[in-house]
Amino acid sequence: DTGVSQDPRHKITKRGQNVTFRCDPISEHNRLYWYRQTLGQGPEFLTYFQNEAQLEKSRLLSDRFSAERPKGSFSTLEIQRTEQGDSAMYLCASRGLEDEQFFGPGTRLTVL
Amino acid sequence: EDQVTQSPEALRLQEGESSSLNCSYTVSGLRGLFWYRQDPGKGPEFLFTLYSAGEEKEKERLKATLTKKESFLHITAPKPEDSATYLCAVQAPSSTLGRLYFGRGTQLTVWP
Repeated sequence: DTGVSQDPRHKITKRGQNVTFRCDPISEHNRLYWYRQTLGQGPEFLTYFQNEAQLEKSRLLSDRFSAERPKGSFSTLEIQRTEQGDSAMYLCASRGLEDEQFFGPGTRLTVL
Repeated sequence: EDQVTQSPEALRLQEGESSSLNCSYTVSGLRGLFWYRQDPGKGPEFLFTLYSAGEEKEKERLKATLTKKESFLHITAPKPEDSATYLCAVQAPSSTLGRLYFGRGTQLTVWP
């Protein structure tokens, strides 16, 4: 399967703990996006990478959130000191030369 | 202010009963409008990209159309396997890096 992959698929954590998610984009795609989706809502943009450079961040990305793409391939999204309001589906999408973004299966985060 | 509004929020159809989903947008100078399908607990699956008024795209029982203010996703003779949430997203003129703004989606249920 050459699509976007995300790991883990599900994460349950206690409030105050740190969590890290991983995204592996389609291999030839140099553009990578993170979105967050809560129940009944559409995905909301968090951040964008072109190769290893983080070029855009949403106001939703508070100081507790950090994202990296160290070698321009996979990306990680870390949330420090998780809060119950962080519970959501975290989606990664990659894009090549065309405009279409292809999404991974998502990581479902539950903060207790 | 919402840039993308989808209606209806939910739609129930009997198998074979054709209908349309609506996506209205407020951005001017649209760079692209995208339709996705999302099954429960999964990431969005890309369906169509539309760029200019009058453009149409088709795939199996689905046809997407675009005007200057809205897009329609027409479903002809739907089957139960078409049941999903259909998301519309736009790329605004300010989104030079490809950021997408999503609507809340239309939850479609097709019963036999």
